[in-house]
Amino acid sequence: DGGITQSPKYLFRKEGQNVTLSCEQNLNHDAMYWYRQDPGQGLRLIYYSQIVNDFQKGDIAEGYSVSREKKESFPLTVTSAQKNPTAFYLCASSPRGVAGGRNEQFFGPGTRLTVL
Amino acid sequence: QKEVEQNSGPLSVPEGAIASLNCTYSDRGSQSFFWYRQYSGKSPELIMFIYSNGDKEDGRFTAQLNKASQYVSLLIRDSQPSDSATYLCASQTGGFKTIFGAGTRLFVKA
Repeated sequence: DGGITQSPKYLFRKEGQNVTLSCEQNLNHDAMYWYRQDPGQGLRLIYYSQIVNDFQKGDIAEGYSVSREKKESFPLTVTSAQKNPTAFYLCASSPRGVAGGRNEQFFGPGTRLTVL
Repeated sequence: QKEVEQNSGPLSVPEGAIASLNCTYSDRGSQSFFWYRQYSGKSPELIMFIYSNGDKEDGRFTAQLNKASQYVSLLIRDSQPSDSATYLCASQTGGFKTIFGAGTRLFVKA
């Protein structure tokens, strides 16, 4: 059963703590992404990776870090430097893209992070 | 800053009516366009993809693209209460980086 899994579904963090959100895919996709979604807003790109051992910052990378040691896995760490981390975090993956093609992103179920 | 703009709504239509959702984008280099549906508390799922000017139909859904006007729309015919969700418009350049709009909330009244 192919897909993307994220864990945990809900996460509570105290201020000053780092937390790591898990994202795993078994779709054999090359590219993986992390987005943040705040209420009433669209998806904002945090980090993305097109191949193993390589990743780039998105539009709101400050206070976050990632790694891509395996094709299947793209964990996101929310550090204490992230000033307002409470949000819904979505991981996605896609095959190697072709310009003008149907380069659909497949999303995981999301992790809702709350800072107490 | 490249952007995708949508009316946040809510857009309310009666059951059986046509719902019309609109989107504009700023990057003339955008090549592919997507409509995702997102139910409350869930992740987005793709419902339509379009890359050529004109209309593309899939069941009750029709996507329309006008690159000269940098305008994308989604029509939902015979709207059902189960269509009530937030619809995200997205543009893509170079087969990879995707920019999402903030979404339009649709309510279909039974």
